[in-house]
Amino acid sequence: ILNVEQSPQSLHVQEGDSTNFTCSFPSSNFYALHWYRWETAKSPEALFVMTLNGDEKKKGRISATLNTKEGYSYLYIKGSQPEDSATYLCAFRPYGGATNKLIFGTGTLLAVQP
Amino acid sequence: EPEVTQTPSHQVTQMGQEVILRCVPISNHLYFYWYRQILGQKVEFLVSFYNNEISEKSEIFDDQFSVERPDGSNFTLKIRSTKLEDSAMYFCANGRGPSTDTQYFGPGTRLTVL
Repeated sequence: ILNVEQSPQSLHVQEGDSTNFTCSFPSSNFYALHWYRWETAKSPEALFVMTLNGDEKKKGRISATLNTKEGYSYLYIKGSQPEDSATYLCAFRPYGGATNKLIFGTGTLLAVQP
Repeated sequence: EPEVTQTPSHQVTQMGQEVILRCVPISNHLYFYWYRQILGQKVEFLVSFYNNEISEKSEIFDDQFSVERPDGSNFTLKIRSTKLEDSAMYFCANGRGPSTDTQYFGPGTRLTVL
């Protein structure tokens, strides 16, 4: 069974703090790693698709790194703002199989206090 | 970002009734997926669909479930005889390609089975 874990489960930070959280996935059979940002009552928003070991991607104040050999990815938010409050989901796409089936982690719930 | 829409946003039904959940995909994005999230659990893959047929399905996707594109545009998930344990948020996702392309998610339909 392929398992994807995220930590911490939840995080409370003050506005302006920088923060990071972790996604762990099976290091064998890796194909891609997706990050999503999900606000309540909205569609999960695609942030990054990462495929290469050592990859680093950036979107505004959010960035992510990927280590496929040890099976983890970090998501960083620099200078958190209240509008960053959301659940951050990672999803692992294993190699092989007929499709792009994604296996999700439990998510990290981020709350940014003004 | 391209937008996937879903209707209804919330469906309440009695156990044993049939429900149809609808998704309006993004133009020219021909890979379709359904996922669901039972409250407090991870988002889990149900089925993927391409070229008018199922590409892959999970063990959750039993004979009670079916998918189709009845008019070549909308994508539907039908549950023939709902059970209490089918209560969940159901997400439609849509992608342009089969490989590492982004999967764009709709806002979900919350299904409550009484």
